Amino acid sequence: SQKIEQNSEALNIQEGKTATLTCNYTNYSPAYLQWYRQDPGRGPVFLLLIRENEKEKRKERLKVTFDTTLKQSLFHITASQPADSATYLCARGDTGRRALTFGSGTRLQVQP
Amino acid sequence: DTGVSQDPRHKITKRGQNVTFRCDPISEHNRLYWYRQTLGQGPEFLTYFQNEAQLEKSRLLSDRFSAERPKGSFSTLEIQRTEQGDSAMYLCASSSQTGYLINSPLHFGNGTRLTVT
Repeated sequence: SQKIEQNSEALNIQEGKTATLTCNYTNYSPAYLQWYRQDPGRGPVFLLLIRENEKEKRKERLKVTFDTTLKQSLFHITASQPADSATYLCARGDTGRRALTFGSGTRLQVQP
Repeated sequence: DTGVSQDPRHKITKRGQNVTFRCDPISEHNRLYWYRQTLGQGPEFLTYFQNEAQLEKSRLLSDRFSAERPKGSFSTLEIQRTEQGDSAMYLCASSSQTGYLINSPLHFGNGTRLTVT
């Protein structure tokens, strides 16, 4: 089965630094990856989508990369703020499948 | 855009009871998904509707679970003879999507948290 692996350990960084979260996948490359933010007790909120043929996508302070050689996506938040503290989920979408497969998420804590 | 709404937000039930959850998707969205999430894990796919047709069910979904989406609008998820292992957050999501490949985002509700005692 196609899997997504995210670092289960929480990431703690200082305000103003760049946070980098990792998402690794197994087997063949997904057609695309999506990143979501989830706050406690709430549903995930979509942030960014990157397709297999794209190397990088940006949106304001967010950047996502897709490396098919390393089978990895990196999610960066520049100039991080305490309000960025949340769990970030990576999800893969595969051709022929209607549903996304989610990783377990990485919790980010930004210290003021 | 009023977002995806789910009802109830919390449900506590005794083992063996039946429960039903409701999801109201974004009105123009034709696709509706149910996911389940336990603490420290990501959402796990349960089932998917396109309009009123249930097109896919996870192999993990036991026969005690059933979902409907009459008239392609709201959806219900029923769990019969609940077990303690059913305790989880049940998330509904919708999307506006054409074609087979999903490349548009899912809009999630805030879930129904089920506790089976």
